[in-house]
Amino acid sequence: DAMVIQNPRYQVTQFGKPVTLSCSQTLNHNVMYWYQQKSSQAPKLLFHYYDKDFNNEADTPDNFQSRRPNTSFCFLDIRSPGLGDAAMYLCATSKEGTSGGGGTQYFGPGTRLTVL
Amino acid sequence: GQNIDQPTEMTATEGAIVQINCTYQTSGFNGLFWYQQHAGEAPTFLSYNVLDGLEEKGRFSSFLSRSKGYSYLLLKELQMKDSASYLCAPHNDYKLSFGAGTTVTVRA
Repeated sequence: DAMVIQNPRYQVTQFGKPVTLSCSQTLNHNVMYWYQQKSSQAPKLLFHYYDKDFNNEADTPDNFQSRRPNTSFCFLDIRSPGLGDAAMYLCATSKEGTSGGGGTQYFGPGTRLTVL
Repeated sequence: GQNIDQPTEMTATEGAIVQINCTYQTSGFNGLFWYQQHAGEAPTFLSYNVLDGLEEKGRFSSFLSRSKGYSYLLLKELQMKDSASYLCAPHNDYKLSFGAGTTVTVRA
């Protein structure tokens, strides 16, 4: 039973062509996160939503935007993808954002983005 | 700033024990997670430590010393399926700061 679902699993786009990645969850968790992970590197947090409150990381480029229309869904929009944006994009959820087990993050399978 | 150090690679034989060390310096600290990540897949939760000491969970155990900024993940009775990357992730409130991961290769 998939709990954090990401679509598509593989996405190919062209340089500069906008692309949207989607994430949905069946856990009814309050917090949803988007990470970027490049080959052999650590996942890098781009932003997160606590319910409807959006929190952007200071070093996330403006090229990356996000939407959370309801509890279950969250989208990552890349407005003008560059070659350097090719990566695995991971969505994660947690029940709460505070310390303890409620902060455990559960990851979706990821979307691998290729930019041509 | 955040600084998380763990070895890049480790190799061990099936049935052996491997210990992956992690040292961290972070601004704010609530606890530390360990995640397993197989190649091309998403990280999966292994363990969480908030207090000093050892947490045992089957073949996997995790240790934390908050005063030393140190944790380790112990993998016992290694199996081939344990070949993966292991990510150390201290957290402060909502934010996990991942290390680059330790790639463990299990040989027959």
